Amino acid sequence: DAGITQSPRHKVTETGTPVTLRCHQTENHRYMYWYRQDPGHGLRLIHYSYGVKDTDKGEVSDGYSVSRSKTEDFLLTLESATSSQTSVYFCAISEPGNYGYTFGSGTRLTVV
Amino acid sequence: GNSVTQMEGPVTLSEEAFLTINCTYTATGYPSLFWYVQYPGEGLQLLLKATKADDKGSNKGFEATYRKETTSFHLEKGSVQVSDSAVYFCALSEAVYSGGGADGLTFGKGTHLIIQP
Repeated sequence: DAGITQSPRHKVTETGTPVTLRCHQTENHRYMYWYRQDPGHGLRLIHYSYGVKDTDKGEVSDGYSVSRSKTEDFLLTLESATSSQTSVYFCAISEPGNYGYTFGSGTRLTVV
Repeated sequence: GNSVTQMEGPVTLSEEAFLTINCTYTATGYPSLFWYVQYPGEGLQLLLKATKADDKGSNKGFEATYRKETTSFHLEKGSVQVSDSAVYFCALSEAVYSGGGADGLTFGKGTHLIIQP
């Protein structure tokens, strides 16, 4: 969807290094989310944001942090990447009342 | 907590066959229900949704009816095509406005659908 972009699309990194993934939206939606997708698990919520500087933990938040300094950007940071964080990461946005969530195209992260 | 259960597959059908993908849910309140589709190498696209009991969502020949009494939201299509091959996710949201909020979406594990010509 053109209103939400993720970068990078692919990344390979080494165990123990920090990694930051970026989600950028042009829809001015209030809520933003980070999910990870793994075989046999579907999508699981890592962190979400309900406004600038307002964030909270999801189901699988250990090892991840987030920041949202502007409405349009939501950053996901792996402070010290581990092989268990190899996954596909999706960002999503939503706005109260419109009954929909829009997803980005995903970032495939490989930790070696 | 909330949960969604769906058949995982892979489900393999011939073109023009009838499709049913079962989805049941557990929720503490009155969730909105969704089906998302993911084509190979792509993100998730909203296929259809229903926001209250007995609502029917429909799109591209797919349908699903929100059944509160059986806590189900089964996806159906009368005649599938090869282009329907994808992974289908059932999901729910119990946010106050049902359009977004504290809990985001709770997903099933996904059903891989393969349509053979």
